[in-house]
Amino acid sequence: DTAVSQTPKYLVTQMGNDKSIKCEQNLGHDTMYWYKQDSKKFLKIMFSYNNKELIINETVPNRFSPKSPDKAHLNLHINSLELGDSAVYFCASSRSGTINEQFFGPGTRLTVL
Amino acid sequence: QKEVEQNSGPLSVPEGAIASLNCTYSDRVSQSFFWYRQYSGKSPELIMSIYSNGDKEDGRFTAQLNKASQYVSLLIRDSQPSDSATYLCAVNPYNAGNMLTFGGGTRLMVKP
Repeated sequence: DTAVSQTPKYLVTQMGNDKSIKCEQNLGHDTMYWYKQDSKKFLKIMFSYNNKELIINETVPNRFSPKSPDKAHLNLHINSLELGDSAVYFCASSRSGTINEQFFGPGTRLTVL
Repeated sequence: QKEVEQNSGPLSVPEGAIASLNCTYSDRVSQSFFWYRQYSGKSPELIMSIYSNGDKEDGRFTAQLNKASQYVSLLIRDSQPSDSATYLCAVNPYNAGNMLTFGGGTRLMVKP
């Protein structure tokens, strides 16, 4: 199936831990993103990344870092997890250019205890 | 002022009626606009994209864009209970690269 996939689907961890969420797309897209959807369902961009440029939303703490081994993967690493990091994290991808239709992965629900 | 604003709803319409969802945005030079549907517990799913003033139709969905008024809407004809979801408006502001700014979403309920 052509899609954007994420692992794990659920992640429960303790405050202070470091965790990673993986994302892969097989759509042939060259740009990938991470979004955070909080408990109020507000969806907010965290990062945009292609092989040329990383754009970081200025409100994202530097505990969050994207890591891209290749064009089809963009992982999200989070250091020193805090209670407020609990949310659903969505990966998305698109083809760069004037048409910026983004397709989302299934999401990872992160719960920090 | 929020960058992308939507009425949170819920918007309740009877089955078979037209549902009208509205969105306003603050960045006058925004270039592209998107409507996503999100079912509870699921990921956003792209329904429509629109870039030029006017209407764009796709099946039961029509997106309408008015850049002068900074307004984009989504009409759903012959609404079905399966259309019940949260509809997210997204805007690609100028100078934001490919990053989208989302509104808070409108919850639509279609009653049989």
